[in-house]
Amino acid sequence: AQTVTQSQPEMSVQEAETVTLSCTYDTSESDYYLFWYKQPPSRQMILVIRQEAYKQQNATENRFSVNFQKAAKSFSLKISDSQLGDAAMYFCAYRGYNFNKFYFGSGTKLNVKP
Amino acid sequence: GAVVSQHPSWVICKSGTSVKIECRSLDFQATTMFWYRQFPKQSLMLMATSNEGSKATYEQGVEKDKFLINHASLTLSTLTVTSAHPEDSSFYICSAIPLAGFYNEQFFGPGTRLTVL
Repeated sequence: AQTVTQSQPEMSVQEAETVTLSCTYDTSESDYYLFWYKQPPSRQMILVIRQEAYKQQNATENRFSVNFQKAAKSFSLKISDSQLGDAAMYFCAYRGYNFNKFYFGSGTKLNVKP
Repeated sequence: GAVVSQHPSWVICKSGTSVKIECRSLDFQATTMFWYRQFPKQSLMLMATSNEGSKATYEQGVEKDKFLINHASLTLSTLTVTSAHPEDSSFYICSAIPLAGFYNEQFFGPGTRLTVL
């Protein structure tokens, strides 16, 4: 089974600064999707960003961008100009190309200091 | 678009009773819905995959007789916790994959907090 590892249980960043959350995964598939989800205190899961493995270009969504290293099986999330509203749990997730099931990492709690 | 609702948002029940949680895709049809369980400060644990018109596929270690899943239509899946006990207290989240478009993404409901006394 695929595994997703987030090695940082908790991180802190100063408001307006940049922070990078790490994620590695293990798979034997060549085609797959990777996701970062945000879960604020409301516990509603929100998609932050998505990356297709066949795309070499790193995905970007406003202040959020990823560093996708396929050979290294690494998928980090960079948050620029951090805002207080970015404080949440962040989960990295993997989904195989032909399978519906998603695999989640253990999560990283992000604190944003004013 | 792509909104998923869950009902109820929270429920308290007595030990031994059954509780039903509904998951609805409001503005799209979903052939596949997932049910997750989340303990405090932990990740989502997939319980089962629900496909419209067929039996749910349960993950290893999940009791299918305790957690009954029914996916009766393309917009509704239900999770029934039978003979609930305090250890079943948790946060339950459903998600849905649209039949068309956004095929590689799942949309989450807001979750249901279950407390069994």
